[in-house]
Amino acid sequence: DQQVKQNSPSLSVQEGRISILNCDYTNSMFDYFLWYKKYPAEGPTFLISISSIKDKNEDGRFTVFLNKSAKHLSLHIVPSQPGDSAVYFCAALGGSEKLVFGKGTKLTVNP
Amino acid sequence: GAVVSQHPSRVICKSGTSVKIECRSLDFQATTMFWYRQFPKKSLMLMATSNEGSKATYEQGVEKDKFLINHASLTLSTLTVTSAHPEDSSFYICSARSTRGYNSPLHFGNGTRLTVT
Repeated sequence: DQQVKQNSPSLSVQEGRISILNCDYTNSMFDYFLWYKKYPAEGPTFLISISSIKDKNEDGRFTVFLNKSAKHLSLHIVPSQPGDSAVYFCAALGGSEKLVFGKGTKLTVNP
Repeated sequence: GAVVSQHPSRVICKSGTSVKIECRSLDFQATTMFWYRQFPKKSLMLMATSNEGSKATYEQGVEKDKFLINHASLTLSTLTVTSAHPEDSSFYICSARSTRGYNSPLHFGNGTRLTVT
């Protein structure tokens, strides 16, 4: 049972435009969410996180929005750059140290 | 920032042999490290939690005798894939937290690509 879902396996955007990556979760016990970026043959790199007590967290070009009632979060990247091309994983925590990952969304930013 | 080093990055071995993968926290002490496995086009699956000085905690469905985990010090955890078979071929990644608190971000190693022939 997939507790963290990233329903779009891939996304393609033009450089300079906004990239929106979506993530849904089913477990209401999750209270902390993270986004990781991963290049091929490398480990994931932490990008940004949000606690369930917030609905928005911003860090430079990256903003994460959380809608608890909808059990949905999204990562906005603006403006998108070619170097942002990678696989983005949404992950969640709920009372334990076990991080539950989605399947990832491959973002391609075209010059 | 916190760095987790994983070695080797790639390994090819013959079926039936064992392979050891090392995970080191370079500038912090990690009482807990995590081992993940990534299948193609799938999410990172937690295999086990490695606890310094005690036995690892394995996730359901992960064979303890197959994937031996040793966390001998606060900066080193090892994963040994014993009697490897082609189906064990995968990308294995370790991770650790540099600060206390379950919601502090995990730092990942660069992973090990294991190919069993």
